[in-house]
Amino acid sequence: DTAVSQTPKYLVTQMGNDKSIKCEQNLGHDTMYWYKQDSKKFLKIMFSYNNKELIINETVPNRFSPKSPDKAHLNLHINSLELGDSAVYFCASSQDRGAVNEKLFFGSGTQLSVL
Amino acid sequence: KNQVEQSPQSLIILEGKNCTLQCNYTVSPFSNLRWYKQDTGRGPVSLTIMTFSENTKSNGRYTATLDADTKQSSLHITASQLSDSASYICVPNPNQGGKLIFGQGTELSVKP
Repeated sequence: DTAVSQTPKYLVTQMGNDKSIKCEQNLGHDTMYWYKQDSKKFLKIMFSYNNKELIINETVPNRFSPKSPDKAHLNLHINSLELGDSAVYFCASSQDRGAVNEKLFFGSGTQLSVL
Repeated sequence: KNQVEQSPQSLIILEGKNCTLQCNYTVSPFSNLRWYKQDTGRGPVSLTIMTFSENTKSNGRYTATLDADTKQSSLHITASQLSDSASYICVPNPNQGGKLIFGQGTELSVKP
């Protein structure tokens, strides 16, 4: 049983299109995240939700819109895709928001390629 | 400004050999530091966590050390196996509500 699952695994699309990535966790965690891993391998936080409430919103273009219908799901919608959006996007979850010993559980990633 | 520097960037070793990965950080304040292992095509998985007061901690063949005074951590892998081939990422926690700082990782390749 996959703890944090995200779909699709690969996403190839044309510039200007709109796409969504879905994420679900079955760990009963309260907090979910979206991270972007660029070509240099740095993982950077984009958004964080705690019990469906947005708590972290880093400097991300407003073409990116997260949606959390319930605390087990956090989807990422991207409008008007640009070449620079090409990256691997990871969904993650944790038990306690901002806990001192916070441990993240990651999905397997979605490799987005914008042509 | 990069708050986490990992070295080396990449490393190739033969199966059965030991290796040590380094992490220097300037993150402040600091509450703990995690090492994650990221296999190719997968998400990172936590290996170990070092709190401020801990100097060393082992998890099987993995041993992490932490010097909070010099802001350095290391991950030592003993008797490497092919399955150890992965990226190892150092993540110091500034305890700022979930905004973790991830290192770039060290890409380890274990050859037969």
